[in-house]
Amino acid sequence: AQSVTQPDIHITVSEGASLELRCNYSYGATPYLFWYVQSPGQGLQLLLKYFSGDTLVQGIKGFEAEFKRSQSSFNLRKPSVHWSDAAEYFCAVDSWAQKLVFGQGTRLTINP
Amino acid sequence: GAGVSQSPSNKVTEKGKDVELRCDPISGHTALYWYRQSLGQGLEFLIYFQGNSAPDKSGLPSDRFSAERTGGSVSTLTIQRTQQEDSAVYLCASSPTGARGEKLFFGSGTQLSVL
Repeated sequence: AQSVTQPDIHITVSEGASLELRCNYSYGATPYLFWYVQSPGQGLQLLLKYFSGDTLVQGIKGFEAEFKRSQSSFNLRKPSVHWSDAAEYFCAVDSWAQKLVFGQGTRLTINP
Repeated sequence: GAGVSQSPSNKVTEKGKDVELRCDPISGHTALYWYRQSLGQGLEFLIYFQGNSAPDKSGLPSDRFSAERTGGSVSTLTIQRTQQEDSAVYLCASSPTGARGEKLFFGSGTQLSVL
């Protein structure tokens, strides 16, 4: 069965610092991978997705993620975070049955 | 409206009561999903509707949970005889065709509290 693990429940970084959120997946075939962000009181918004091709994908709000098949990982990165990036981040894999399997989420706090 | 709309935004109920949660997807979207987000947990898939096909109910946790989608648009998730463990945020999402890998558009959710 497909599964997604986000090892870090909560991460705190200073504004302007770089960020990396970890995601590991378990899926037998080529995965479709996603990162969604949930800001307080709002629905989830798609940041980026990977299907095939270039393993480094760019998303909205300056985020990028790199697919590494050998490590079954799809980590999210941002070179310099802004206070508005404080939110909960979810990694997800799209199963063959057209439904997303989500990780438990990583809550990001930004220190001024 | 332009986005996925859910109502109510908050619902407080007593244990044993039935509740109905409503989702209005984006107009024209044929695929509709319900997810549950419990405190400290990720999003748990509940049910998926695609056009006129039979829904995928594989994620419903018990027979107290049911959902319908009328006219291929509005959906209602019903929880009968609510239990305290049903307390969670219930999220609805829609997508244009339900194709694999398609972006999901999420509503803001219904926060359900069972006392």
